[in-house]
Amino acid sequence: RKEVEQDPGPFNVPEGATVAFNCTYSNSASQSFFWYRQDCRKEPKLLMSVYSSGNEDGRFTAQLNRASQYISLLIRDSKLSDSATYLCVVLTSGTYKYIFGTGTRLKVLA
Amino acid sequence: EPEVTQTPSHQVTQMGQEVILRCVPISNHLYFYWYRQILGQKVEFLVSFYNNEISEKSEIFDDQFSVERPDGSNFTLKIRSTKLEDSAMYFCASSEGAPSKQFFGPGTRLTVL
Repeated sequence: RKEVEQDPGPFNVPEGATVAFNCTYSNSASQSFFWYRQDCRKEPKLLMSVYSSGNEDGRFTAQLNRASQYISLLIRDSKLSDSATYLCVVLTSGTYKYIFGTGTRLKVLA
Repeated sequence: EPEVTQTPSHQVTQMGQEVILRCVPISNHLYFYWYRQILGQKVEFLVSFYNNEISEKSEIFDDQFSVERPDGSNFTLKIRSTKLEDSAMYFCASSEGAPSKQFFGPGTRLTVL
């Protein structure tokens, strides 16, 4: 089983739509979780951390389910500029290394 | 806003040559990292560095690779004898602490011919 799994997509959605991505992780010792955004041939940019209680930042909401070992990202009112690859990232207790998922591609269509 | 910088943006080299990739982490950060991303694949951890020594490395980071912080600002990745399969985007990252959010530089695209 892959350490961090994501549906690669692409998810093609119209502007204004709500879209959700899920990510599962295999190591129950994982302690920190993040969503990053990556545009084509650019660096990953931090979108938001993910907390057990769930957290929201504007149109973006992240949730963590430790029991089922998955995290989610919800984007409301999608904009054309949201088109990118969304990377699920997990940090395991006692290590320094980020484990990346392969990413989910989102295309927001006009 | 402070950011991680990397040079060069693109490096082309012949197989077997040595390359040095350079990074300037965010100034108050204490932890530094190198990752790589082969075209079309996921980002992979190479090495983390703290207090002037390697704190963790992956199986990718073999004897051909080394890291150094030669002065108070630069952080370098050296590949001694490049192979075709070393062609990738190399990202430097830094964080204030560990575990903590990591901030990535724009990357160096390495092409090995």
